[in-house]
Amino acid sequence: DTGVSQDPRHKITKRGQNVTFRCDPISEHNRLYWYRQTLGQGPEFLTYFQNEAQLEKSRLLSDRFSAERPKGSFSTLEIQRTEQGDSAMYLCASSLGGSLSTEAFFGQGTRLTVV
Amino acid sequence: AQKITQTQPGMFVQEKEAVTLDCTYDTSDPSYGLFWYKQPSSGEMIFLIYQGSYDQQNATEGRYSLNFQKARKSANLVISASQLGDSAMYFCAMREVMGGYSTLTFGKGTMLLVSP
Repeated sequence: DTGVSQDPRHKITKRGQNVTFRCDPISEHNRLYWYRQTLGQGPEFLTYFQNEAQLEKSRLLSDRFSAERPKGSFSTLEIQRTEQGDSAMYLCASSLGGSLSTEAFFGQGTRLTVV
Repeated sequence: AQKITQTQPGMFVQEKEAVTLDCTYDTSDPSYGLFWYKQPSSGEMIFLIYQGSYDQQNATEGRYSLNFQKARKSANLVISASQLGDSAMYFCAMREVMGGYSTLTFGKGTMLLVSP
């Protein structure tokens, strides 16, 4: 499988617990993006990396959220002290470069439910 | 203000007919790109078609075409000869390069249901 893969696909956690999601982008892609999608909404940008550098973070990314891409390959998104409002689909995407026409390839997402 | 507006929460179409999904956008950047993605129930966002702000002709990809009206800031997706497998959420998105980076901003989506 040469697409973007995300793990786990589903996660149920209790409020207050920490969770970590993983994204493996397409191997030659230097850009990696995290998006959050709540029910009935389109994906909202959270952060993106160019290689291992985190170049932009949305205001949606509170200090409970942290993302890393240590060797410019896979990325992790950690949410500390989860809240019910964190329940959403977390989508990862990757692209080769970031020109206007560059297509971003998405994974199938991690669906988080905070109970 | 919303950068991408999709006014149709849901659309119904019969198999083999054409359907138009509306999208309007707002930007002051002269350079931008417009995308349409399909999201089936499995969750993955599937790229359909791209239109650049400087492209003179409307983009086409198989059964998908983009009706780009720059002065009206609209980028409607036309699906010809609908198929049952076209039933999904459809998202319009825009990429701008203001601020030195380029990320996608999505609309709220339109749910398309294709009936036999």
